[in-house]
Amino acid sequence: DGGITQSPKYLFRKEGQNVTLSCEQNLNHDAMYWYRQDPGQGLRLIYYSQIVNDFQKGDIAEGYSVSREKKESFPLTVTSAQKNPTAFYLCASRGQGTGNGYTFGSGTRLTVV
Amino acid sequence: AQSVTQPDIHITVSEGASLELRCNYSYGATPYLFWYVQSPGQGLQLLLKYFSGDTLVQGIKGFEAEFKRSQSSFNLRKPSVHWSDAAEYFCAVGASSNTGKLIFGQGTTLQVKP
Repeated sequence: DGGITQSPKYLFRKEGQNVTLSCEQNLNHDAMYWYRQDPGQGLRLIYYSQIVNDFQKGDIAEGYSVSREKKESFPLTVTSAQKNPTAFYLCASRGQGTGNGYTFGSGTRLTVV
Repeated sequence: AQSVTQPDIHITVSEGASLELRCNYSYGATPYLFWYVQSPGQGLQLLLKYFSGDTLVQGIKGFEAEFKRSQSSFNLRKPSVHWSDAAEYFCAVGASSNTGKLIFGQGTTLQVKP
């Protein structure tokens, strides 16, 4: 079955460490997105990529970095510069065609300890 | 700037009762509108979407939504709620057909009373 896989589901990080969240899709979608979800704040866009080797900052990119070396993969690194990284992170992809909705992964919950 | 407002943060309905979740958007052109549902600790699942044409859109799980341009609204409805419908619901508007970016509302949490 096609879909998006995010791993790990739960991640704990010590302050000052970088961590990388994995996002893999086998839907052959060109566009991929990272969102951050906090209680009462909906989803906020961190980064997005419309094609391999290209990506753009979203609304809250500070303290995060991404890469898009393969169509299937769009990993997100939460750096030590991110002031408040504890959150639920969602990856999504979108196929070609105007107005297509997103397919979401099941999310990664990151906790800084 | 584009925006989405879901006026109700939390709604409680009795099982079997009808449901309407409100969504208002601000967008300069014809919007692409979506409703998603999220169970706790899970990703979002697409319920339905509107691009053009018939303003009443049918979705999965018995949900429907009506696009009203004059009111800038895209409210989600269900005639009879089931306990399994308890979840968080997000309305989203397509910000740009080129980038495919979606802007999400704050979400409405639905609680279903037995």
